[in-house]
Amino acid sequence: KAGVTQTPRYLIKTRGQQVTLSCSPISGHRSVSWYQQTPGQGLQFLFEYFSETQRNKGNFPGRFSGRQFSNSRSEMNVSTLELGDSALYLCASNGGGRTDTQYFGPGTRLTVL
Amino acid sequence: AQSVAQPEDQVNVAEGNPLTVKCTYSVSGNPYLFWYVQYPNRGLQFLLKYITGDNLVKGSYGFEAEFNKSQTSFHLKKPSALVSDSALYFCVLGNYGQNFVFGPGTRLSVLP
Repeated sequence: KAGVTQTPRYLIKTRGQQVTLSCSPISGHRSVSWYQQTPGQGLQFLFEYFSETQRNKGNFPGRFSGRQFSNSRSEMNVSTLELGDSALYLCASNGGGRTDTQYFGPGTRLTVL
Repeated sequence: AQSVAQPEDQVNVAEGNPLTVKCTYSVSGNPYLFWYVQYPNRGLQFLLKYITGDNLVKGSYGFEAEFNKSQTSFHLKKPSALVSDSALYFCVLGNYGQNFVFGPGTRLSVLP
């Protein structure tokens, strides 16, 4: 089975722009979660989608949004980028059960200049 | 509130020696716990998980972890460390119906 894929792997944007990141889960997985990883804050949960519905949400401003499509692929959008949004954005998928193991993609490295 | 602590930012061990990476947690209710490893510029790789049952959990690459409910700990262990084990290790707490909570990570360096 193919693993979780994320595109693009690297991205450079300037302040004020917006960005869309994509995540394709493992085949058959219906849950996709997004995380932000920074040296200062560590790994923080952004949101989780299950069957095209947002099931959980972390404590991030409304500039961070996401969606999930019928094929379980997910996108994350960040509007009005700030310097502090520079981070590694990781997506993870699982079957949707509460104790299921999450499998992570390689991440998208976003740099905001 | 649920939380995960990894009391050591860095652990150094000589190749061939046993290694331990410590994790303690705080949660109301029954926890389930994971260990993940992250290599440079890579995503997180699953090592093992505890949900219920035997307190000693065996995982990938020769790693194991011991769940101790009274001490609220879930330490990661390996009998003989390899240089290739050098990486960043995360202890992760799940709680039924809640989000995953990650510990701050412990950087393991295995010295040849």
